[in-house]
Amino acid sequence: AQKVTQAQTEISVVEKEDVTLDCVYETRDTTYYLFWYKQPPSGELVFLIRRNSFDEQNEISGRYSWNFQKSTSSFNFTITASQVVDSAVYFCASSSGYSTLTFGKGTMLLVSP
Amino acid sequence: EAQVTQNPRYLITVTGKKLTVTCSQNMNHEYMSWYRQDPGLGLRQIYYSMNVEVTDKGDVPEGYKVSRKEKRNFPLILESPSPNQTSLYFCASSLGGTGLYEQYFGPGTRLTVT
Repeated sequence: AQKVTQAQTEISVVEKEDVTLDCVYETRDTTYYLFWYKQPPSGELVFLIRRNSFDEQNEISGRYSWNFQKSTSSFNFTITASQVVDSAVYFCASSSGYSTLTFGKGTMLLVSP
Repeated sequence: EAQVTQNPRYLITVTGKKLTVTCSQNMNHEYMSWYRQDPGLGLRQIYYSMNVEVTDKGDVPEGYKVSRKEKRNFPLILESPSPNQTSLYFCASSLGGTGLYEQYFGPGTRLTVT
């Protein structure tokens, strides 16, 4: 069974600050997949990134970056120069392959002007 | 437009009155799933379906039923709703298995059972 821990329940930052959202996963599988989803105040769930267990390369997409470290079972998400529009709940999730997707409890990010 | 639709978006009902939340996708996706979202608990998977006539339990299936008679539709049935099923429900679909593809989520259905 997969388990995903997002220890940070809520984070508050001021605009332009950098912020890192932590995600720690547990799995017995050698092949697994990790995800981040964003849920803005409007409520929809938006896919951000997918990473498989064989690809530890970090990824950058604009102001967003992800740090995948198998040694610490972590898949952390950093927002550089945060903006008010980044305010949302962010979910980390994992899957062992085909059938189920396990979410963490989410981290609410509040970015104030 | 590629999308997952859910109906109704909001529903207030009473304990024991059977209800169905519909979910439909227009992307010809094989995989569909239902989740519930509760404060402090994140999203938890209720049921999923790999393809037509193939369904299986997720982490919290008690009190729910599903069916997959057509590829595009995956209704969630609460035969005797109880107050602890008050929640925000999301339907999702993907091209294939959960690890291989991103999930596309519907807009959510907020259910209140009194």
